[in-house]
Amino acid sequence: NAGVTQTPKFRVLKTGQSMTLLCAQDMNHEYMYWYRQDPGMGLRLIHYSVGEGTTAKGEVPDGYNVSRLKKQNFLLGLESAAPSQTSVYFCASSLTGTVEQYFGPGTRLTVT
Amino acid sequence: ELKVEQNPLFLSMQEGKNYTIYCNYSTTSDRLYWYRQDPGKSLESLFVLLSNGAVKQEGRLMASLDTKARLSTLHITAAVHDLSATYFCAVDPNNAGNMLTFGGGTRLMVKP
Repeated sequence: NAGVTQTPKFRVLKTGQSMTLLCAQDMNHEYMYWYRQDPGMGLRLIHYSVGEGTTAKGEVPDGYNVSRLKKQNFLLGLESAAPSQTSVYFCASSLTGTVEQYFGPGTRLTVT
Repeated sequence: ELKVEQNPLFLSMQEGKNYTIYCNYSTTSDRLYWYRQDPGKSLESLFVLLSNGAVKQEGRLMASLDTKARLSTLHITAAVHDLSATYFCAVDPNNAGNMLTFGGGTRLMVKP
């Protein structure tokens, strides 16, 4: 099992550009999540999904969109990147809502 | 708004010593999670605490939850260098696992 994988690992964008981050899990988990981690801080939830075809907003959803067309994939989109979106993005998944989340390796995004 | 506060933020300790990290939160919740993060790495689940009075132990780490006091502790016994990492607690205010709020983290450095 690969667990949770994220693509790409690093990315540099210019302000106003768009991109999509891909998260994939091979554990047949129902729940998937996108977080961002800023230097010296804990993680903040951007969006999450409780099953294929569903998405919901987390704590900091502005400027991001997500889609979960397949159970194993959760995509995070930035339509018009801003320097404030410079961060490390982590994807996670869990079997249910009451067990631990498994995290991917992270994507380091810099917006100049 | 849920606030999750950890203290200390930074802890430097000698090998062989004991210490406790505290996680206070501001709203009712029966579910609390502890994670470990090594520098530049992803998060690894340590403990899942799902009820008042829950206590879990793994090696030199022991976590407990007091939902009435809105407090969780992570106790380190006879620290070793390999425990050096940042430790995060995360609270689930909806008791559904899909809106975790993380504390700011405690960076632990264990000196040989």
